[in-house]
Amino acid sequence: EVQLVESGGGLVEPGGSLRLSCAASGFTFSSYAMNWVRQAPGKGLEWVSSLSSSGSSIFYADSVKGRFTISRDNARNSLYLQMNSLRAEDTAVYYCASEVIADTAYDYWGQGTLVTVSS
Amino acid sequence: QSVLTQPPSASGTPGQTVTISCSGSSSNIGSNTVNWYQQLPGTAPKLLIYNNNQRPSGVPDRFSGSKSGTSASLAISGLQSEDEADYYCAAWGGKRGVFGGGTKLTVL
Repeated sequence: EVQLVESGGGLVEPGGSLRLSCAASGFTFSSYAMNWVRQAPGKGLEWVSSLSSSGSSIFYADSVKGRFTISRDNARNSLYLQMNSLRAEDTAVYYCASEVIADTAYDYWGQGTLVTVSS
Repeated sequence: QSVLTQPPSASGTPGQTVTISCSGSSSNIGSNTVNWYQQLPGTAPKLLIYNNNQRPSGVPDRFSGSKSGTSASLAISGLQSEDEADYYCAAWGGKRGVFGGGTKLTVL
C-alpha cells in the first residue's frame, strides 16, 4: 500500500523557517517525480514545487521561488521542503504528492501538514 | 486569481449528469494533458482523471474527462450524494503546475 506521510508543520513567526518532510512507502520512490501542493484555509489548491526522480529537474511557483527549496533523499525514501523567509500568505496545509501513474498527474497524496505563519 | 478557470459552483439532483468546465491557454491545457481531482471535505485531494480522459483504478466509469483545444471538462453521470465535493482541474504549463480555482458540487 502506498503511503505518504508529511511532518514538520507548525506555528512559525513571519520571517522564520521550517522544514517539511514526506516519508514515502509502498512504491519505488526513487523512480518517480514528487511534488508539494498547498491549500490555504478555505481556499483552493496551489502547486508549490516539483522535483524529478533523480533530482536534476526542479521547478517552483513564482510565489515561493528564492525562499523555498525542494529536495529528496532516495536512500531514505523521503522528500523535503525547506521554507525560509516565511510570510503570512504561506499559511496553508502542505501536501506531498507523487507522479506514479503519469507525468504531472498527482496520484498519491499525504494527509497534509499545517503550516501557520503568525506572530 | 487561478491560471485555469472553473465555475465556482455546480449542482444537480441524484441520477442527473453534471459537467464542470475548465478553461486555460495555449501554454497549459493547449500543450499539456489535463488532470482532475476530487476533494471531499476535510480530506486530501484524490486523482479522478489523468491524461485528459483516463481513470485510475477504482474510479467509477460515471466520471469521464475530455479536452478540446485550451479547454477541458469533467462529466459526472448518475450523480450520487457522495459525489458532493470540490473538483479541481490541473495541468502543466510553462515549467510550473497550474490548478483551477475549484468547483463546489452540490447534490440537491
